[in-house]
Amino acid sequence: QVQLQESGPGLVKPSQTLSLTCTVSGGSISSGDYYWSWIRQHPGKGLEWIGYIYYSGSTYYNPSLKSRVTISVDTSKNQFSLKLSSVTAADTAVYYCARVDSYIDYWGQGTLVTVSS
Amino acid sequence: QSALTQPASVSGSPGQSITISCTGTSSDVGGSNYVSWYQQHPGKAPKLMIYDVSNRPSGVSNRFSGSKSGNTASLTISGLQAEDEADYYCSSYTSSSTRVFGGGTKLTVL
Repeated sequence: QVQLQESGPGLVKPSQTLSLTCTVSGGSISSGDYYWSWIRQHPGKGLEWIGYIYYSGSTYYNPSLKSRVTISVDTSKNQFSLKLSSVTAADTAVYYCARVDSYIDYWGQGTLVTVSS
Repeated sequence: QSALTQPASVSGSPGQSITISCTGTSSDVGGSNYVSWYQQHPGKAPKLMIYDVSNRPSGVSNRFSGSKSGNTASLTISGLQAEDEADYYCSSYTSSSTRVFGGGTKLTVL
């Protein structure tokens, strides 16, 4: 059974960089069978794709966030990470990591990140 | 990329059928067979209900079905049950190799 777990600070100051890590267990990122994604959900709102990465490092980003987003992968630790720069209150959301085929079959539990001074 | 268009809310009585639409463009829904649907209960992570337009994952009730016509995909739930009350999201692969979600639909079982 594949499991994903997000970790990182729950509070980030405006203008700083939000950093989250997703640890994958029960499956290997290096298998090459899937993409690995970050998705967020603003409070009381819908889902928003942030981007995703292949084990080789190839990335695909939401055009609306592309200038501020970096997704990276560490296959030795079976982890992938999200960095979102120059955050504002509008980046306050629950952030999910997920495994992607043509669909998302496994999700992390989600972690709330609040941007506030 | 713009979010796919879903009705904000739909409702139905137990036992009835409802359909949720998901409208995009030829660059996403219309041009892709990678359309999926997710159910989300409050405070929970979304759950896959339909993938690749009309396929149902193991363990998902056969009361859930999906289809697509042109730029619009649809999720139909038959024999509505109280536990079906949730938010539903569609998602599509795009011609830019990215993904996009719909705005979400709140299903109320009356």
